Amino acid sequence: GAVVSQHPSRVICKSGTSVKIECRSLDFQATTMFWYRQFPKQSLMLMATSNEGSKATYEQGVEKDKFLINHASLTLSTLTVTSAHPEDSSFYICSARGSGGAFFNEQFFGPGTRLTVL
Amino acid sequence: KQEVTQIPAALSVPEGENLVLNCSFTDSAIYNLQWFRQDPGKGLTSLLLIQSSQREQTSGRLNASLDKSSGRSTLYIAASQPGDSATYLCAVAAGNKLTFGGGTRVLVKP
Repeated sequence: GAVVSQHPSRVICKSGTSVKIECRSLDFQATTMFWYRQFPKQSLMLMATSNEGSKATYEQGVEKDKFLINHASLTLSTLTVTSAHPEDSSFYICSARGSGGAFFNEQFFGPGTRLTVL
Repeated sequence: KQEVTQIPAALSVPEGENLVLNCSFTDSAIYNLQWFRQDPGKGLTSLLLIQSSQREQTSGRLNASLDKSSGRSTLYIAASQPGDSATYLCAVAAGNKLTFGGGTRVLVKP
């Protein structure tokens, strides 16, 4: 159990366009989802935390108007990179955490999405 | 603010040698500590999760210890194999967040 998927796995877009990345918990209800960004040869940096049905909480330095997060259901969160620029090129990874039992104390990670902005 | 440090940043060993990876954290008020493996261009694979009340966890050739009071965890990989080559990340859970270390890139040479 505890499988998290991301779609797409890889996306290339032109500068100025918007890109949406989906994160789904496949076999549990995720009350909280997290979005991370990872630059080459660096570790994961938390961008934002979202709870189902409420606004996301963004980490310091992350532009909420540029990285739109929606967590409309207990199994789906989306990250939209608006007006993407080459410096937004990165590996984006989501994770999900359930509301109780074995899924409460652990985050389960998706496989990541490689974004390349030309 | 929690800070997580992993030493060394990179490690190269011959096949069969035991691996010792270190992780330290500055705030001991944690819920758990987790070790992950990441292959190039891929997502994270969870290896071991140690609850704050535990001192170690074992899975096959992997053993992770946790000394919360001193802010340290060590991941031991016995009898390393070329397939163990990857980046290993530790992360500590506190509050509502996971804080990651910078990772240790491991190369096991055949």
